[in-house]
Amino acid sequence: DIVMTQTPLSSPVTLGQPASISCRSSQSLVSSDGTTYFNWLQQRPGQPPRLLIYEISNRFSGVPDRFSGSGAGTDFTLEISRVEAEDVGIYYCMQASQLPWTFGQGTKVEIK
Amino acid sequence: EVQLVQSGGGVVQPGGSLRLSCEASGFTFSGYWMTWVRQTPGKGLEWVANINRDGSAKQYVRSAEGRFTISRDNAKNSLYLQMTSLSPEDAGVYYCVRPPARALDYWGQGTLVTVSS
Repeated sequence: DIVMTQTPLSSPVTLGQPASISCRSSQSLVSSDGTTYFNWLQQRPGQPPRLLIYEISNRFSGVPDRFSGSGAGTDFTLEISRVEAEDVGIYYCMQASQLPWTFGQGTKVEIK
Repeated sequence: EVQLVQSGGGVVQPGGSLRLSCEASGFTFSGYWMTWVRQTPGKGLEWVANINRDGSAKQYVRSAEGRFTISRDNAKNSLYLQMTSLSPEDAGVYYCVRPPARALDYWGQGTLVTVSS
């Protein structure tokens, strides 16, 4: 199984400041069809996860443009350009390039 | 508006069975693969199973094979997860998810499964 490792596990940030989360996979996520099925999800307290970014860098509908994704192969990054109060929650990376689909352990973003 | 409304879940004894349901609306249900994902204290978020558009193909996480069955009824716009031989490790919140192009774009509200004697 592909292991997804996120760093840091906790990220206290100041409102208006940037934040960055890294995710590393144990194998390349380039699938046989050439697509990298790598996504970022956000889970606010008490809510289901929500899709933020799909296929490395594509923002899902309604996601603010302060969220951006980058990376390739085995190393990926989620950046929040200016953290707002509503961004508090746990962020997960996940891969769907190979079965079983797997998730990172989550990074908790909180306000300092 | 895409909606996935879940039902079922509850408390079950170890070794028991439970059936989860998910009713979809706001999109052409029969046009999408569907997925179950669970969130447990032990493993965090874990993909459980996928089913293709007509129900003829199913994929499971290793720990669910032989115990869980994913199914769908396109006439009722509904997805199901039949779970048997439940253990405490299966306890958690189960989510019904729509995964177009393997991006988990819409999630149900979640349903809590408790396995306890």
